[in-house]
Amino acid sequence: GAVVSQHPSWVICKSGTSVKIECRSLDFQATTMFWYRQFPKQSLMLMATSNEGSKATYEQGVEKDKFLINHASLTLSTLTVTSAHPEDSSFYICSARDSNSGMETQYFGPGTRLLVL
Amino acid sequence: GQNIDQPTEMTATEGAIVQINCTYQTSGFNGLFWYQQHAGEAPTFLSYNVLDGLEEKGRFSSFLSRSKGYSYLLLKELQMKDSASYLCAVMDSNYQLIWGAGTKLIIKP
Repeated sequence: GAVVSQHPSWVICKSGTSVKIECRSLDFQATTMFWYRQFPKQSLMLMATSNEGSKATYEQGVEKDKFLINHASLTLSTLTVTSAHPEDSSFYICSARDSNSGMETQYFGPGTRLLVL
Repeated sequence: GQNIDQPTEMTATEGAIVQINCTYQTSGFNGLFWYQQHAGEAPTFLSYNVLDGLEEKGRFSSFLSRSKGYSYLLLKELQMKDSASYLCAVMDSNYQLIWGAGTKLIIKP
């Protein structure tokens, strides 16, 4: 089956620092990847859609200058949380769409827990 | 607007059957997905329906009626490990996934 990895799985950092999260599709090519954020006991919230070779599309209310997305290859997208603050502490999950499956299914990475002190 | 409705929480007994319903109103339709999400973990893909009818996969089945904007996920022979949130998501005409808030399923012995 389609496997998506995410690294790191846990990050603890000081307020004001930047954190980079990597999302990789391991056994398929993903022209489109998605970044979600989920606060405890709340629904998944789509932050942005990442398209290989072009700029990401951000959802309303998500600051593109704070959450930098780079989709440099068909298997890798990165999310950089710049100048992180405690309110950015959350569970960040990426997903990758396997367009060759015929179902446009999104497969999720295991998620990254970010704690900003 | 686009809307996905599913119950917030359901309780069922180990060994029993439970049906989780999902109704939707979206701009176009390119398929309906069900995901399972255990507490503290990322969602995992369960099923995909794009045509009307029932899709069976082991203990889990998913049904779709496009004319009614309705789907359900049926879980048979419930096990304690099935305790999780079940997310219904619809892909709209722009191939964007519209997510429901999820149904928390509690399994009791």
